[in-house]
Amino acid sequence: DTEVTQTPKHLVMGMTNKKSLKCEQHMGHRAMYWYKQKAKKPPELMFVYSYEKLSINESVPSRFSPECPNSSLLNLHLHALQPEDSALYLCASSQVLAGGNRELFFGEGSRLTVL
Amino acid sequence: AQRVTQPEKLLSVFKGAPVELKCNYSYSGSPELFWYVQYSRQRLQLLLRHISRESIKGFTADLNKGETSFHLKKPFAQEEDSAMYYCALSGESGSRLTFGEGTQLTVNP
Repeated sequence: DTEVTQTPKHLVMGMTNKKSLKCEQHMGHRAMYWYKQKAKKPPELMFVYSYEKLSINESVPSRFSPECPNSSLLNLHLHALQPEDSALYLCASSQVLAGGNRELFFGEGSRLTVL
Repeated sequence: AQRVTQPEKLLSVFKGAPVELKCNYSYSGSPELFWYVQYSRQRLQLLLRHISRESIKGFTADLNKGETSFHLKKPFAQEEDSAMYYCALSGESGSRLTFGEGTQLTVNP
C-alpha cells in the first residue's frame, strides 16, 4: 500500500461543531504532516509529527488540535472553527531521513467548509 | 527564513515547444530543492529533486546556487504535461517543506 488515505473527503460544519479529520498510511513512514491549502494557493505547513511526537507547530490556532495515536494514523480535531478556516486539508507522510531529502506522499485531501 | 518564488502563475506553450518553469529561492543554509506536480483531479506528487540529478518524464532541473535558482525544463512539451507545478524547498532538517505559489502549465495541441 503506497497511498495516504484521508477521510472524510468533504466536511461541512458549523462554527460550534466538533469534528475530526483522519489520515492513514501503511508505508512505514514515521513522519506525518498536516498542510492547509486555500483555493489557488500553495499548501501551507501546519503540523509535523516525527516518531509520533509533535515536532513542528507553525503557530496554528488552538481550535486545530492534532493527534498521532500511532505510527499509521494522524488526526486533526476541529472545534469552534471560523469561516476563513474553510480550505483543503492535506495530510502527507514521509520517511524520517537525515538531512532534507524527504519525499512527501500526499493524500487527496479533506475539503472543509465552515458555515 | 526560507522562501520560494515562482514568478509565473500561468504558462502556456504549444506541444513540441520547449518549456521552462522558473523557481528562485532564499535560504541561508544548504537547501534541498524539489519540484512537485499536481495533475487535474490527482493528488500532489513529487516530480523530481535536485539531489537525484535525474530526468523524470523528460523534465530536468539544475540547482544554481550562485543564482539561487532551480528552474524546471523540458525540451519538447507534451499535452499530458499540463498541470500545476510547485517548486519546494526544505532545510537541513527536512521537516519544513515550503512551497512556491505554483505555475499552472498548459500545453496546447
